[in-house]
Order: sequence, then C-alpha cells, then structure tokens
Amino acid sequence: KAGVTQTPRYLIKTRGQQVTLSCSPISGHRSVSWYQQTPGQGLQFLFEYFSETQRNKGNFPGRFSGRQFSNSRSEMNVSTLELGDSALYLCASSPGTGAYEQYFGPGTRLTVT
Amino acid sequence: AQKITQTQPGMFVQEKEAVTLDCTYDTSDPSYGLFWYKQPSSGEMIFLIYQGSYDQQNATEGRYSLNFQKARKSANLVISASQLGDSAMYFCAMRPKITQGGSEKLVFGKGTKLTVNP
Repeated sequence: KAGVTQTPRYLIKTRGQQVTLSCSPISGHRSVSWYQQTPGQGLQFLFEYFSETQRNKGNFPGRFSGRQFSNSRSEMNVSTLELGDSALYLCASSPGTGAYEQYFGPGTRLTVT
Repeated sequence: AQKITQTQPGMFVQEKEAVTLDCTYDTSDPSYGLFWYKQPSSGEMIFLIYQGSYDQQNATEGRYSLNFQKARKSANLVISASQLGDSAMYFCAMRPKITQGGSEKLVFGKGTKLTVNP
C-alpha cells in the first residue's frame, strides 16, 4: 500500500505570493490533517478534513485555507505569503472512523524570501 | 487547554542501552489518546506507539514501551537496546476527547532530540 504523498517536496516563494500544497492520503483513508512545523512554534495543527468537510480548524489567519476532494486528496493554500510562513508543512491521513493511527507524509518544505 | 510538555530538549544514550524520554500532559477530558512519533532528519513523522486513556496495560511495540502513569499525567517512552538509527527527534502527542467520528487533531510537545552514541 502506498504511503501518504505530498507535493511538491520543496518550494521557494517570495513574500506576497500565494502557494498551493497537495496531499494524497493512503488509499481508503478519508481523513486528512495538516500541520505546520517551525523551529520556534513547533508542530501546530492547521485543519482537518473528513469526507470533503472541514472537521476542525486551528488558530491560523484566514490566509491559510484548505479543501478536500471527493477522492480524499487535499490541498492547502496560503495567500499573501509572509516570511514567517516558512516551515515544514506535514499532512497526515487516517481512515477517519475511530482508528487511532495517523500516517504522516514526508512534508513540503516552504521557504519564503 | 490541552498541553504536552517534554522537558528534555536533548538526550544522549550509548548504543545498546535503554533510554527514557519524558512526557507529561494536561487535559480535562476523560477520554484521550497519547502518541509517540519519531522524526528523522528527513522530516517524516513515524508513528511509534499509542496509549488510550482507558487502557489498563502499558502499550508496547517491539523495543518501544510507554510508561503510562495516569494519576501523574505522564506518558514516558522507553526505548530498549538503543540503535544508532534511533537518533532522531521524538515527539509526544495527545488527541484530546476521543469520540467516534470526532476530530483527530493532535497536540504535540516540543520534542526531544535523541542522540545514540556508538
């Protein structure tokens, strides 16, 4: 079974631009969660989607948005990038129906210059 | 508010020895889950072990065991017979308020960097 895939793996953007990151969960998994990891703030929860619906949202500004498609693939978008958005963005997938394990992808490392 | 505290920024251990990584948590929910993840320098988070708040026995997975002390709100990870490949960041995490069909949001600690010396 293929694991969680995230594209792109690395990204360099300029302040003010926008970016879209993609996450493909494990086949059959319906829940996708996104996390931001920075040296200063650690791992912080961004949002969670289950069956195309946002099930939970973290404390991030509205510049951060996401969505999930009918095939469970998820995208997150960050508009008007700031230097502080430089981070490793991780997504995790799970069946979404009570199983406790979440499987993480390799992450997308975003650098904003 | 739910919170995870890992007080050891870095730990060193000799190869083949055991090591304990500390984790304390704070939650008012009676039903919660505790996790440990390993993050090598490549960045991917690797699931190691899970303990549910109602589980009577401590969880074990191969060389990993979780020392769960509910009254003290601690969930320490014990790695036995350390290997060089165990060198990585280790994160303790909690899923608050486990309910069927509920959110699977994880709250993470700051992590402990483990270095295994030959």
